[in-house]
Amino acid sequence: GIQVEQSPPDLILQEGANSTLRCNFSDSVNNLQWFHQNPWGQLINLFYIPSGTKQNGRLSATTVATERYSLLYISSSQTTDSGVYFCAVVVSGSARQLTFGSGTQLTVLP
Amino acid sequence: DGGITQSPKYLFRKEGQNVTLSCEQNLNHDAMYWYRQDPGQGLRLIYYSQIVNDFQKGDIAEGYSVSREKKESFPLTVTSAQKNPTAFYLCASSKRGDTQYFGPGTRLTVL
Repeated sequence: GIQVEQSPPDLILQEGANSTLRCNFSDSVNNLQWFHQNPWGQLINLFYIPSGTKQNGRLSATTVATERYSLLYISSSQTTDSGVYFCAVVVSGSARQLTFGSGTQLTVLP
Repeated sequence: DGGITQSPKYLFRKEGQNVTLSCEQNLNHDAMYWYRQDPGQGLRLIYYSQIVNDFQKGDIAEGYSVSREKKESFPLTVTSAQKNPTAFYLCASSKRGDTQYFGPGTRLTVL
């Protein structure tokens, strides 16, 4: 099956810093989503981005489908950005189920 | 409010017992999904359903069962055959081929 690799596995930042999280995938995909899992376990949708670039406030994401990677940018980080960030993909031609990476644990220090 | 609800939030099970986790959505989504998350890991698909009265096994279906009698509901039963059921269980729903939205989850602990 498809492999989804996220890097780095852990990231510690000072408040106000910028960061880039990476997601590599091993096969063609129809769908790619970025999620933020808060300390209570809730998964929050950040982006639905099978290709191209999107921005939402301090967050933006870029997916280069032909090169099989996606990047999530967080600018001017805040302590509330802490948590785990997951990338998840749907393989082209599959029955639409998401395959998740193992996540990036982000800690933003005040 | 539109959304996905899961109950209970916490569940304790004795070994040998079956337990059922509830998932309800009022988003009018056709597809529903169950995932399992173990500490420090990503989510793995247990079962999914794209239409009422039909469902398919995911990557880790052994020891679990589901039903889809109504569009709004997709309950998951963790049977005694599941050898290591302690985990965080997340339900999701989507329009076909579209973004998946997740419920708040149920934490299951086997005593």
